[in-house]
Amino acid sequence: GQNIDQPTEMTATEGAIVQINCTYQTSGFNGLFWYQQHAGEAPTFLSYNVLDGLEEKGRFSSFLSRSKGYSYLLLKELQMKDSASYLCAVMDSNYQLIWGAGTKLIIKP
Amino acid sequence: GAVVSQHPSWVICKSGTSVKIECRSLDFQATTMFWYRQFPKQSLMLMATSNEGSKATYEQGVEKDKFLINHASLTLSTLTVTSAHPEDSSFYICSARDSGLDHEQYFGPGTRLTVT
Repeated sequence: GQNIDQPTEMTATEGAIVQINCTYQTSGFNGLFWYQQHAGEAPTFLSYNVLDGLEEKGRFSSFLSRSKGYSYLLLKELQMKDSASYLCAVMDSNYQLIWGAGTKLIIKP
Repeated sequence: GAVVSQHPSWVICKSGTSVKIECRSLDFQATTMFWYRQFPKQSLMLMATSNEGSKATYEQGVEKDKFLINHASLTLSTLTVTSAHPEDSSFYICSARDSGLDHEQYFGPGTRLTVT
């Protein structure tokens, strides 16, 4: 079967760095996405990785290792507004998104 | 950037009535749109894949006669929840795939449905 695993909840301090891990097992692979979702809102796109390595975009970076079925989202200089759920999703061979359950990130002052 | 709109953003209806939710891609063409449902504190659950000009593909466990999907044009898909019940109360989100790009998928703002 297809499976995406990520931690349920994480807590970090404002100004610090946090890494959210995601491991996956899917039927085929056409890229891995990270989305941010605030409570009561739809997800917003953060990053897309299809090749191994690190993609940096401002305070957010995303890493992918296809051989290990592993990705992480790195958030630097955390701000209170970063408190949200972070969803990992993999696009399978049919171009369908397989979603993880999401990681709720709590930022404390 | 690509924009997807949903209407209404929230709706309250009585049990037994039907509700239609519209999903529009505003500045791009979308041959494929996706309908998701999300219950509180849970992840997105794909309900169906909507393809322009053809029948929608429903995920296992989703009743196609209850959740009617119509994708009549390259910019509009509708989801009709028929004979709604309180257990259908949820956050419904659509997303649209840009026809020219395989991996790009853009989300609408969601519709919160409450059935009383």
